[in-house]
Amino acid sequence: DAKTTQPTSMDCAEGRAANLPCNHSTISGNEYVYWYRQIHSQGPQYIIHGLKNNETNEMASLIITEDRKSSTLILPHATLRDTAVYYCIVRVAWSTLTFGKGTMLLVSP
Amino acid sequence: GAVVSQHPSWVICKSGTSVKIECRSLDFQATTMFWYRQFPKQSLMLMATSNEGSKATYEQGVEKDKFLINHASLTLSTLTVTSAHPEDSSFYICSATKTGIQETQYFGPGTRLLVL
Repeated sequence: DAKTTQPTSMDCAEGRAANLPCNHSTISGNEYVYWYRQIHSQGPQYIIHGLKNNETNEMASLIITEDRKSSTLILPHATLRDTAVYYCIVRVAWSTLTFGKGTMLLVSP
Repeated sequence: GAVVSQHPSWVICKSGTSVKIECRSLDFQATTMFWYRQFPKQSLMLMATSNEGSKATYEQGVEKDKFLINHASLTLSTLTVTSAHPEDSSFYICSATKTGIQETQYFGPGTRLLVL
């Protein structure tokens, strides 16, 4: 699976949009971009995934660049409960997940 | 929904004893379940992949005789840490994929193990 690069940490004010970037320049054509998050002392939570089109669900939006070498996870109105480590993972369907270090997002009042 | 539960949520045991952790998919059938381990301030590391009715596949460096995995039904997988030692103290997390839709893994809440 392709390697991803994420900032170590980010800050966001409550109520503002949180934009979390992810670089995956070696992604191959059949690899999906997945986002999970892990709140402290809990199991990871699935957020969203996509192949090449932008995706939106009740939790977040995923914007994938046209060349698919990077993506951005957008939390439109961050709350304190969105404070977590966010993992960007690229993988082919059916393969295992490999977790990197992720981005620690701190949402403050 | 896709809910995965784990039991117990935390356990303290003496060195040398065995501990069993259960992972259940509550509202779906899971052909495949995964077991991860997470040490403090580190990321999740995959230990093994468990398929219903067959032997688990272990990642390199994970002792299959120490971490016994049983996946006897489509809704239950168990991980038994045998002869536990303090270095086995960790956060153990399972995940499951829906039968026939093996794209998204859904994770349990984790089990914190402390071996004294």
